[in-house]
Amino acid sequence: NAGVMQNPRHLVRRRGQEARLRCSPMKGHSHVYWYRQLPEEGLKFMVYLQKENIIDESGMPKERFSAEFPKEGPSILRIQQVVRGDSAAYFCASSPYQDTGELFFGEGSRLTVL
Amino acid sequence: AQKITQTQPGMFVQEKEAVTLDCTYDTSDQSYGLFWYKQPSSGEMIFLIYQGSYDEQNATEGRYSLNFQKARKSANLVISASQLGDSAMYFCAMRERGGSYIPTFGRGTSLIVHP
Repeated sequence: NAGVMQNPRHLVRRRGQEARLRCSPMKGHSHVYWYRQLPEEGLKFMVYLQKENIIDESGMPKERFSAEFPKEGPSILRIQQVVRGDSAAYFCASSPYQDTGELFFGEGSRLTVL
Repeated sequence: AQKITQTQPGMFVQEKEAVTLDCTYDTSDQSYGLFWYKQPSSGEMIFLIYQGSYDEQNATEGRYSLNFQKARKSANLVISASQLGDSAMYFCAMRERGGSYIPTFGRGTSLIVHP
């Protein structure tokens, strides 16, 4: 049973370009969470999605950031017109239910903006 | 208000000794889950241990145990017989109904194990 798969593992973009980060949850998991981790800091919640629905995007910056989780295919976190401050590790996690149970993480995608 | 508080930014321990990493939480829910994750320098988030609020026994997983004190709202991680490979960041997290079950993380504790 494959774990949570994130790609790319490393992404380099120049200022103003777009970054697309992908997350395939564990099989049977329909709840996906995206987190951002700045250097030397903890994980900050960005967005919570279920298939075809954004449930909570309270942690997402209002501009340039968007997320989706289509019926088929991975969840995608999209950052338009990247700036240096977007450089961070972006983690995706999945769970089978919306409850108090365990959360499974991907290995993260590290975005560097030049 | 912080939902998860980890008051120790950094901890040092001698190899083969035990170490306790502190975590306190804030919730008004009766049902919640508490987690610990390890993040080594390679960056991945490794699940260590889980404690449900209704679990009467403290959770244990190998050398990891969770000292769950519900009345004090604390969920400290105890690592017995520390190994050099335990050097990493450790994060405490919680899922609660009042937070829509969105996992909330503490700021982490950096553990360094000395030979």
